[in-house]
Amino acid sequence: DVKVTQSSRYLVKRTGEKVFLECVQDMDHENMFWYRQDPGLGLRLIYFSYDVKMKEKGDIPEGYSVSREKKERFSLILESASTNQTSMYLCASGIDGYTFGSGTRLTVV
Amino acid sequence: KNEVEQSPQNLTAQEGEFITINCSYSVGISALHWLQQHPGGGIVSLFMLSSGKKKHGRLIATINIQEKHSSLHITASHPRDSAVYICAASRSGNTPLVFGKGTRLSVIA
Repeated sequence: DVKVTQSSRYLVKRTGEKVFLECVQDMDHENMFWYRQDPGLGLRLIYFSYDVKMKEKGDIPEGYSVSREKKERFSLILESASTNQTSMYLCASGIDGYTFGSGTRLTVV
Repeated sequence: KNEVEQSPQNLTAQEGEFITINCSYSVGISALHWLQQHPGGGIVSLFMLSSGKKKHGRLIATINIQEKHSSLHITASHPRDSAVYICAASRSGNTPLVFGKGTRLSVIA
């Protein structure tokens, strides 16, 4: 069964902390994506990557960075977490159809 | 105006009712996707279609390319159909999907 695995289901971090959200896929996909999902706003694209060491800004990249050192792993980094980054974060991989991870609910206090 | 618009935002139905969720898009697309997200759950793909109609069990998806409109129908709705339904558009080329904001469906027994 193909999978996109996100390292944590729930996280609580303090304001100002550096936060790493990890995503691993086992489908040999080149394309990987990070979204955040908020009530009433739907899925918003933060960053995406079409290849190793390659990254592209999405619609809301401010306050985030990413790392893709290996094809199967795409990391989202919150350089200095803020309360407005409290959200559900979803990783996905694929081309025409995406496979999503189960999400990480991050709370910044 | 969002490139992909869904209606309604929220929908409550009685068990057994026929349900329709609508999706309109303003971009040129290569395919239209319908996805489902149960409360607390991950996002799963229901349909990908570029023309006509697809059916899976009690779910039917249709698309009218000329009118840039797609519908998701649920026949004989059941409380387990309660979920957020998301429409997304694939554009030509290797570009990220464009998501609607989702429709929250509650089916009451």
